[in-house]
Amino acid sequence: QSALTQPPSASGSPGQSVTISCTGTSSDIGGYNYVSWYQQHPGKVPKLMIYEVTKRPSGVPDRFSGSKSGNTASLTVSGLQAEDEADYYCSSYGGRKNYVFGTGTKVTVL
Amino acid sequence: EVQLVESGGGLVLPGGSLRLSCAASGFTFSNFWMSWVRQAPGKGLEWVANINQDGSQNYVDSVKGRFTISRDNAKNSLDLQMNSLRVEDTAVYYCAREGAWHLDLWGRGTLVTVSS
Repeated sequence: QSALTQPPSASGSPGQSVTISCTGTSSDIGGYNYVSWYQQHPGKVPKLMIYEVTKRPSGVPDRFSGSKSGNTASLTVSGLQAEDEADYYCSSYGGRKNYVFGTGTKVTVL
Repeated sequence: EVQLVESGGGLVLPGGSLRLSCAASGFTFSNFWMSWVRQAPGKGLEWVANINQDGSQNYVDSVKGRFTISRDNAKNSLDLQMNSLRVEDTAVYYCAREGAWHLDLWGRGTLVTVSS
């Protein structure tokens, strides 16, 4: 199964918003509401930020929000802060009791 | 404390074998599906395998027939037996707890290097 497609990079100034897209197919993103997003700082462990398209785990700021339209999911980070600079990965249920991850997006806070 | 701790990584020759382990604590291990996810140096995340509470397993195509995931609910442990290792299996291997098709708890990872 092919990886989900994400832009390699995205950036914004502090206080601004940045949106990351994640494009799949009708067999993964488009077929299920099981999209999740992970934040990974350099040398650190991935952290769950969004699950089931729009839900935030306890402790994740409400500046992080998720959405989905058709075969594309999106993560929006509002009110960018310096600590939001990290790599972000989307993931989806792949339809055959497996996961498929995105290619990853490096977010830079200018 | 709720945590996952991996062990067993190291340097292995191509064609060799290695067994990774993950010790779970702070939660009811037997209630959860568990996964292994890997990340090659400088690359993205790749899901490798998972196992449900009863031992039913799923694998990414690239490791089918070479890797075996298993669990011991009595010992709160998860294993990954890796055989016929290839250079392209070099990665940090993370143990992760599953929610409904998301991974809500990750270990710190263990590095596997396949090289001659």
